[in-house]
Amino acid sequence: ILNVEQSPQSLHVQEGDSTNFTCSFPSSNFYALHWYRWETAKSPEALFVMTLNGDEKKKGRISATLNTKEGYSYLYIKGSQPEDSATYLCAFANQAGTALIFGKGTTLSVSS
Amino acid sequence: DAGVIQSPRHEVTEMGQEVTLRCKPISGHNSLFWYRQTMMRGLELLIYFNNNVPIDDSGMPEDRFSAKMPNASFSTLKIQPSEPRDSAVYFCASRSTGYNEQFFGPGTRLTVL
Repeated sequence: ILNVEQSPQSLHVQEGDSTNFTCSFPSSNFYALHWYRWETAKSPEALFVMTLNGDEKKKGRISATLNTKEGYSYLYIKGSQPEDSATYLCAFANQAGTALIFGKGTTLSVSS
Repeated sequence: DAGVIQSPRHEVTEMGQEVTLRCKPISGHNSLFWYRQTMMRGLELLIYFNNNVPIDDSGMPEDRFSAKMPNASFSTLKIQPSEPRDSAVYFCASRSTGYNEQFFGPGTRLTVL
């Protein structure tokens, strides 16, 4: 059974704080790691796709890193804003063409 | 493109009734996924299709659940008979060959009383 773990389950920060979350996945048979952003009452939207060990991706204040050898990925948010409040999901694929296996997500709440 | 379309958006039914959820994938996408989202299990994969053929249905919880994809532009997820524990948000997603990114529909919120 492929298991994707995310931590913390939830966190609350103040506007302007920087924060990071962790995604752990099986380190064997790795194909791709995705991060999705999921706002309440909406559907998940893709943030990043990473396939190579050492990959780093950035979109505005949000960035992600990937370590396939030890099986983890970090998502960083610099200078959190209230509009960053959402659940951040990571998803793992062990080969091309298969379905993504999702973690349970980290729910971020940013107060102004 | 309108994105992945799901209907209905909300469904309230009584225990024992048949429920049919519908999904129209993004045109040109040849993989379709059905997920169920609950507080306990998060987003869990129920079944997925490649080129209209079911590839993995190991996530379908029971025989009460069935899914079909009669053509490239339509899929259904049926629950018969429905039970209160089936209450959840059901998402459909689609993907194009060669890419891993999945595009999600808005979901169907199902409540079984």
